Amino acid sequence: NAGVMQNPRHLVRRRGQEARLRCSPMKGHSHVYWYRQLPEEGLKFMVYLQKENIIDESGMPKERFSAEFPKEGPSILRIQQVVRGDSAAYFCASSPPDRVYEQYFGPGTRLTVT
Amino acid sequence: AQKITQTQPGMFVQEKEAVTLDCTYDTSDPSYGLFWYKQPSSGEMIFLIYQGSYDQQNATEGRYSLNFQKARKSANLVISASQLGDSAMYFCAMRDLNTGTASKLTFGTGTRLQVTL
Repeated sequence: NAGVMQNPRHLVRRRGQEARLRCSPMKGHSHVYWYRQLPEEGLKFMVYLQKENIIDESGMPKERFSAEFPKEGPSILRIQQVVRGDSAAYFCASSPPDRVYEQYFGPGTRLTVT
Repeated sequence: AQKITQTQPGMFVQEKEAVTLDCTYDTSDPSYGLFWYKQPSSGEMIFLIYQGSYDQQNATEGRYSLNFQKARKSANLVISASQLGDSAMYFCAMRDLNTGTASKLTFGTGTRLQVTL
């Protein structure tokens, strides 16, 4: 059973460009979470999604950030018009429907905005 | 609101010795879960151990044990017989269990552990 997959592992964008981060949860997992880790800090919750639904987006910035988890395909975290402050590691985690207290993390995507 | 505090930014331990990483938490929820994750230099987050607020016994997983003191709101991680491969960042985290559905994890700022020869 493959773990949580994230791609790309490293992403470089110029200011003003769009960044798309992908997360494929573990097989059978229907809950996906996105977290952001700024340098030398802990992870901060951004958004929690189930298939086709956003359950909790209390940690998402109000502008430029969006997330989806379609019926088919990976979850996408989209950052429009990136700024230098968006440079961080973005982690995705997934949970199975019957053991929702477990969260398995992907390897993260390191976004660098130049 | 939930809060996790890790007061040790960095710790050193000699190989084969035991080390305790501190974690205190604050929550108004009666039912919660506490987690420890390891983040090596490669960057991935590795789940180590879990403790539920109603668990009667302290959790153990191999060389990891969680010293859970509910009245003091502390959930310290004890690593026995340290190995060089234990050198990493360690994060304490918690989540609310009340909702019956999955919910977000709240993380501390982490402790960087360095194991020396």
